[in-house]
Amino acid sequence: DTGVSQDPRHKITKRGQNVTFRCDPISEHNRLYWYRQTLGQGPEFLTYFQNEAQLEKSRLLSDRFSAERPKGSFSTLEIQRTEQGDSAMYLCASSRTDLGNQPQHFGDGTRLSIL
Amino acid sequence: KNEVEQSPQNLTAQEGEFITINCSYSVGISALHWLQQHPGGGIVSLFMLSSGKKKHGRLIATINIQEKHSSLHITASHPRDSAVYICAVNQGAQKLVFGQGTRLTINP
Repeated sequence: DTGVSQDPRHKITKRGQNVTFRCDPISEHNRLYWYRQTLGQGPEFLTYFQNEAQLEKSRLLSDRFSAERPKGSFSTLEIQRTEQGDSAMYLCASSRTDLGNQPQHFGDGTRLSIL
Repeated sequence: KNEVEQSPQNLTAQEGEFITINCSYSVGISALHWLQQHPGGGIVSLFMLSSGKKKHGRLIATINIQEKHSSLHITASHPRDSAVYICAVNQGAQKLVFGQGTRLTINP
């Protein structure tokens, strides 16, 4: 169990650029979640996948945001035409469902700063 | 009003003190989680509970389903306990809904 891995850890970019983050979940976990956390706040749900299917998207996920999990393993979160309000920590978590309700395991996050 | 409310938002105590952090929620839940977040962002799951009480080392978590309230207690607090503690609830078996977090500082 190598844990949930996120890449990169930090991303600094100019407003208007596109960015893509990657999350590698724990290998036997079929659920993968994306959350966003702004300074001083708790995380907020963005979207989640069960295997390769995206089952729910938050209203926070505007049309500039897209997430994929093409083979049911790693996932990518892309933000197009970034805005200053996108500056936040983007957290990925994974869990398994074959044993009932299980805790989610979190990665260390990707901190995005928009200049 | 947030669906998950924590209190206090900030807590400073001396080493050795007994710490209590409270969480109230307003929605139906299948489970409640207590999470710890250190500077730099990583989140660690401390407890998942749906009834009663759980204990792990110096940490104790309780939940009262009827009152929609949970508490996290830390006995014999230590500076290494300094972190943000976050309460989160499962609605169904899917996403988590988080409180704002409680920033705990334990001074030596």
